[in-house]
Amino acid sequence: QVQLQESGPGLVKPSDTLSLTCTISGGSIGHYYWSWIRQPPGKGLEWIGYIYYSGMTKNNPSLKSRLTFSLDTSRNQFSLTLASVTAEDTAVYYCGRAGSGLSDIDYWGQGVQVTVSS
Amino acid sequence: QSALTQPASVSGSPGQSITISCSGTSSDVGNYNLVSWFRQDPGKAPKLLIYAVTTRPSGVSNRFSGSKSGNTASLTISGLQAEDEADYYCSSYANSNVLFGGGTKLTVL
Repeated sequence: QVQLQESGPGLVKPSDTLSLTCTISGGSIGHYYWSWIRQPPGKGLEWIGYIYYSGMTKNNPSLKSRLTFSLDTSRNQFSLTLASVTAEDTAVYYCGRAGSGLSDIDYWGQGVQVTVSS
Repeated sequence: QSALTQPASVSGSPGQSITISCSGTSSDVGNYNLVSWFRQDPGKAPKLLIYAVTTRPSGVSNRFSGSKSGNTASLTISGLQAEDEADYYCSSYANSNVLFGGGTKLTVL
């Protein structure tokens, strides 16, 4: 059974860089799209982007210039960095595994709350 | 790219059937058979219910079904049960991106 676990700081200061890591257990990187999704308090889901097993990435156009994805196959981990954060980046951040349809995210992490505040 | 449009809330009585709509455009829902549906309980991660418009992952009840007509996808829940009360989200592939709907709160009366 594949399990995903997000890790990272719960509190980030405005203008700083947010870094999150997702650890995959019970499975390998494989031919999947390793995705990030976030959910602001009381709001809906927002797709952030993905990194493919080959290293190819795709970002939500609204976040493109601030986002970086990376993949560490030796540790079965993938990561997200989001630069120049503001209060609007406060959200629960989820990592997930998607198939070729990209929207078919079949495994999700439990989510990590990230608050941007000084 | 705009989010997909879902009704904010729907309700139904136990045993009834309800349908949640997900309206997009010819650039997303209408152009690809890559619509997914998720259920989210409070404080929990979403769970995949339907993918590729109509396909249920293993373990998902056959009371959940998906369909699509033009630019609108739909999730139907038949034989409504109290435990179906949750938030439901649609998503669609959209030219290498993914769009989510705003979510629909289902209340079982």
